[in-house]
Amino acid sequence: DTEVTQTPKHLVMGMTNKKSLKCEQHMGHRAMYWYKQKAKKPPELMFVYSYEKLSINESVPSRFSPECPNSSLLNLHLHALQPEDSALYLCASSLEAFSYNEQFFGPGTRLTVL
Amino acid sequence: AQSVTQLDSHVSVSEGTPVLLRCNYSSSYSPSLFWYVQHPNKGLQLLLKYTSAATLVKGINGFEAEFKKSETSFHLTKPSAHMSDAAEYFCVVTYYNQGGKLIFGQGTELSVKP
Repeated sequence: DTEVTQTPKHLVMGMTNKKSLKCEQHMGHRAMYWYKQKAKKPPELMFVYSYEKLSINESVPSRFSPECPNSSLLNLHLHALQPEDSALYLCASSLEAFSYNEQFFGPGTRLTVL
Repeated sequence: AQSVTQLDSHVSVSEGTPVLLRCNYSSSYSPSLFWYVQHPNKGLQLLLKYTSAATLVKGINGFEAEFKKSETSFHLTKPSAHMSDAAEYFCVVTYYNQGGKLIFGQGTELSVKP
């Protein structure tokens, strides 16, 4: 299995809602990542997990809360989001974090905040 | 600061003609370099990667890229464009011990005319 899966594909939420994005990989990768991508822009790194521990937080607002329950799963919990948080959220994984390894990306979750 | 520059924000070619997407990086360290492709509303797919082996790298779907250290370039080429090649292309660099951080170029949108 050489893919990263993400659910849901689309999510619409109000500013007071709580929702979660889910990411899964079964490639035995020990690094997992969350990115945010706005239209016509490259992805922006949000979080890096290495061996299930948060190793990088790119000064992301606390309304985004990542969680890595095990080496195959990565969640992103969303609470009290703003309309400007609407974007494509991409999950990625790689063999190791501190290396030259390429990252494998999931198809993304298209998030709309009303 | 380390950076990646994609020299064209938009490239338009006719089907069956060659494709050239240009990328320059700036750094005094040895990088790993990647090209990713993103079709509309999809995740990023790895086309090819350079990790200090052969300087001419072959990727999927007939794409290849040549690493030229003296020019700090990593241009992407394809001999004959196909309609399905129309997408956004990102040149990406990473360095050892950077925690998995990828440095993205701003992207080049490739259009293919019939």
